[in-house]
Amino acid sequence: AQSVTQLGSHVSVSEGALVLLRCNYSSSVPPYLFWYVQYPNQGLQLLLKYTSAATLVKGINGFEAEFKKSETSFHLTKPSAHMSDAAEYFCAVSEDNAGNMLTFGGGTRLMVKP
Amino acid sequence: DTAVSQTPKYLVTQMGNDKSIKCEQNLGHDTMYWYKQDSKKFLKIMFSYNNKELIINETVPNRFSPKSPDKAHLNLHINSLELGDSAVYFCASSQSVGNTIYFGEGSWLTVV
Repeated sequence: AQSVTQLGSHVSVSEGALVLLRCNYSSSVPPYLFWYVQYPNQGLQLLLKYTSAATLVKGINGFEAEFKKSETSFHLTKPSAHMSDAAEYFCAVSEDNAGNMLTFGGGTRLMVKP
Repeated sequence: DTAVSQTPKYLVTQMGNDKSIKCEQNLGHDTMYWYKQDSKKFLKIMFSYNNKELIINETVPNRFSPKSPDKAHLNLHINSLELGDSAVYFCASSQSVGNTIYFGEGSWLTVV
């Protein structure tokens, strides 16, 4: 069985500040890990994914995430928040080699203050 | 062009009705999915089809029946709608040899 926990359903940062969205996973096999973003009234877009290559993964829009096996974490960061980053962010895990079955966390809403 | 498109985007209907949500992908993928996002924002997989064959069928009431006429389409039919079916339903697709799943924009279903 696999599961994902996102700590903090709401995170608020000031524009230009560091963004840190936390994700911890549970998996019985080496996991594939993903971050998706959902803008208001839109579908999910893939930000980045970890598939057992480099542990530091760079994604779109300046986001990156680091896979830490010892901490079973895959936290999402961005050095400087932009107003357009305000959205809902979902962490997901897949044990399937083809990654065809994702288990999602509950999501974290990021708010960016001017 | 939209890669994964689903219609309708918004649907309000009464309890007991039967409704369908259509999904089409133009990415040439061989695998398609339906996910349900509940009121608490949790996304849960419902079904997955690979080359028109059902490969994942999670615990979903049999009132929900997916149909895949071809690899590019996966439609979701729901019979006897209940209040608890109100949610956002996301269609998605992927190429089975990779693990990037592309999602549609979601269909907001409200049962009254």
